[in-house]
Amino acid sequence: DQQVKQNSPSLSVQEGRISILNCDYTNSMFDYFLWYKKYPAEGPTFLISISSIKDKNEDGRFTVFLNKSAKHLSLHIVPSQPGDSAVYFCAASGFRGTSGSRLTFGEGTQLTVNP
Amino acid sequence: DAGITQSPRHKVTETGTPVTLRCHQTENHRYMYWYRQDPGHGLRLIHYSYGVKDTDKGEVSDGYSVSRSKTEDFLLTLESATSSQTSVYFCAISESERTQTGYTFGSGTRLTVV
Repeated sequence: DQQVKQNSPSLSVQEGRISILNCDYTNSMFDYFLWYKKYPAEGPTFLISISSIKDKNEDGRFTVFLNKSAKHLSLHIVPSQPGDSAVYFCAASGFRGTSGSRLTFGEGTQLTVNP
Repeated sequence: DAGITQSPRHKVTETGTPVTLRCHQTENHRYMYWYRQDPGHGLRLIHYSYGVKDTDKGEVSDGYSVSRSKTEDFLLTLESATSSQTSVYFCAISESERTQTGYTFGSGTRLTVV
C-alpha cells in the first residue's frame, strides 16, 4: 500500500506565479517529512524538510506546510522560475529505531514552469 | 557534492543473467540504501545497510541481494534478471539513521533487461 501519495503526476505554472505541490500520507507514525527535487539523469537532491512539531518551514522561495490532522503537506514555490522545472518527491520518516525510520517516498510530481 | 558514485551508469542485460550494481562512497557514512525508481511508483526501497555486513530488506527486495564488505561499498545483485527489473536504480547514503536533510543520492544506474 502506498503510504505516501502525490496525486498529481504533473503541474504546469507560469514563471513568477506560485507552484503548489501536494502530498498525503497514511501512516500516523511518520513524524518527519522532506521534499526532494530531481532533474533528468541526476539523483534526487534534498530541498526542504519539516518536523511534525511544526506546521510551517520556510527557506527562501520554498515553504512547506504540514497539516497533521489531515495527514497532508504541501510545498509552495514563490515565485516559480523555469529552473524549478523538475520532478518533486515527497518523503516521510518514522521514529528512529523502527522500520519506518527509512524514507518512504511518494510517486513524484513533474513541475513545469513556463517562461 | 557528497562523494557517492554508482557504476555502471547504464547497462543492458539479457533475461536470466546475473547483474551487479556498485555504489561507492567516500563520506564514511554508516547507512547505505538501494532504491529503484519507476513511473507511478516513485522511489521504493530495495535493501539497506546499517554497517559493514549488516543489511536488511526493504519493501521490494524479492529477486535482489546485497553485500557490504567495506564501509565504502554497497553492492546490489540481481540474481537472475527479469524484465520487471528494468528500472533506474539509486544508491543513497546517510550519516545517521535520521538526519534533517535525509539521504544523499547517487546519480543512478539505468538498467534495461531485454
